[in-house]
Amino acid sequence: DTAVSQTPKYLVTQMGNDKSIKCEQNLGHDTMYWYKQDSKKFLKIMFSYNNKELIINETVPNRFSPKSPDKAHLNLHINSLELGDSAVYFCASSSTQDQPQHFGDGTRLSIL
Amino acid sequence: QKEVEQNSGPLSVPEGAIASLNCTYSDRGSQSFFWYRQYSGKSPELIMSIYSNGDKEDGRFTAQLNKASQYVSLLIRDSQPSDSATYLCAPAKGSNYQLIWGAGTKLIIKP
Repeated sequence: DTAVSQTPKYLVTQMGNDKSIKCEQNLGHDTMYWYKQDSKKFLKIMFSYNNKELIINETVPNRFSPKSPDKAHLNLHINSLELGDSAVYFCASSSTQDQPQHFGDGTRLSIL
Repeated sequence: QKEVEQNSGPLSVPEGAIASLNCTYSDRGSQSFFWYRQYSGKSPELIMSIYSNGDKEDGRFTAQLNKASQYVSLLIRDSQPSDSATYLCAPAKGSNYQLIWGAGTKLIIKP
């Protein structure tokens, strides 16, 4: 049973396209996150939702739009993809904001 | 000054020895601290969490926290080749407990 699952695992697309990444957790957690890990391996928080409410919205281009239809799902839509968007995107969840986060396997996005 | 500082390594340790990983952080208000392990091409995996000053042991792993010195460390006893990975230190800050990630220390255990 996968606790935090992301789809797709790999995404190869061209500049200018629009794409979405989906995340689902079956842990019953209240809080979900999107992170970006670039080629230098730095993990950067992008967004966090607690009970479907946006609580963290870091300095991210507005081409990135998260959506949480319910507590168990957090999707990420990216418009007008750019070369600099190439990275691994991780979804994570935690039972509450102060508890450890559990990560999905990541989505490797490559922009041609 | 970076919010979280870790020696990037690589830190090379012989198999069976103790590996010592260090982390300093700048936010005096941080109350929760986490160590994650990340194998190459994989996602971060929680190793330890620590919230109070002192030591916390879990199997071969011991986390040490000194809030006055703004220092947290992870000791790995009886190091195994499977411990070779990048170890990420992540204090939480703010009312949203946002994790601030270090760049990680690459650990290599030599057989």
